[in-house]
Amino acid sequence: GAVVSQHPSWVICKSGTSVKIECRSLDFQATTMFWYRQFPKQSLMLMATSNEGSKATYEQGVEKDKFLINHASLTLSTLTVTSAHPEDSSFYICSAPGTADYEQYFGPGTRLTVT
Amino acid sequence: KQEVTQIPAALSVPEGENLVLNCSFTDSAIYNLQWFRQDPGKGLTSLLLIQSSQREQTSGRLNASLDKSSGRSTLYIAASQPGDSATYLCAVRLTDMRFGAGTRLTVKP
Repeated sequence: GAVVSQHPSWVICKSGTSVKIECRSLDFQATTMFWYRQFPKQSLMLMATSNEGSKATYEQGVEKDKFLINHASLTLSTLTVTSAHPEDSSFYICSAPGTADYEQYFGPGTRLTVT
Repeated sequence: KQEVTQIPAALSVPEGENLVLNCSFTDSAIYNLQWFRQDPGKGLTSLLLIQSSQREQTSGRLNASLDKSSGRSTLYIAASQPGDSATYLCAVRLTDMRFGAGTRLTVKP
């Protein structure tokens, strides 16, 4: 099946700094990618839908100025957590629809810890 | 807005037991439903995907059913093993995917 990678797999940063997370579709093109956030012992919550060449669509309650999404190419979407705070510590997972319309492929996730 | 609920939130069984995990969703207008496994601190592993026109899917000891009209799905695990211990998530898809909170399964040797 298709592969989605994320980088880094884990990151620790200080409060107030910004962190960029990359999501790549390795062997297929993705005009759309989805970003999820998962807090401990909770489910995945959709944050935003990333669209290649246009603005991302954010879910209600997600601050677009804090979570900057850039989908610059058909294989890469980035999520930048700006001015990170400890409450932003979470597991961030991206996904992309495959060539078969019903398939959705998930990255391995990025663990962000803000100290 | 689609809401997905999973019951129970946690389940502990002795090895060898058959078990059922439940998933319900509020909006029956779905494209498909998917069951995932998630190990602690890890990403998602897809187990079974059921299209909206299908009633069930089977893979090895796993069987998933879908009743779209009533907004329900079940994941049946036969002859459970300690290696099955994980969190099981169901998700429904229309344009995007919405996840349930998961069932944390522990299979005791």
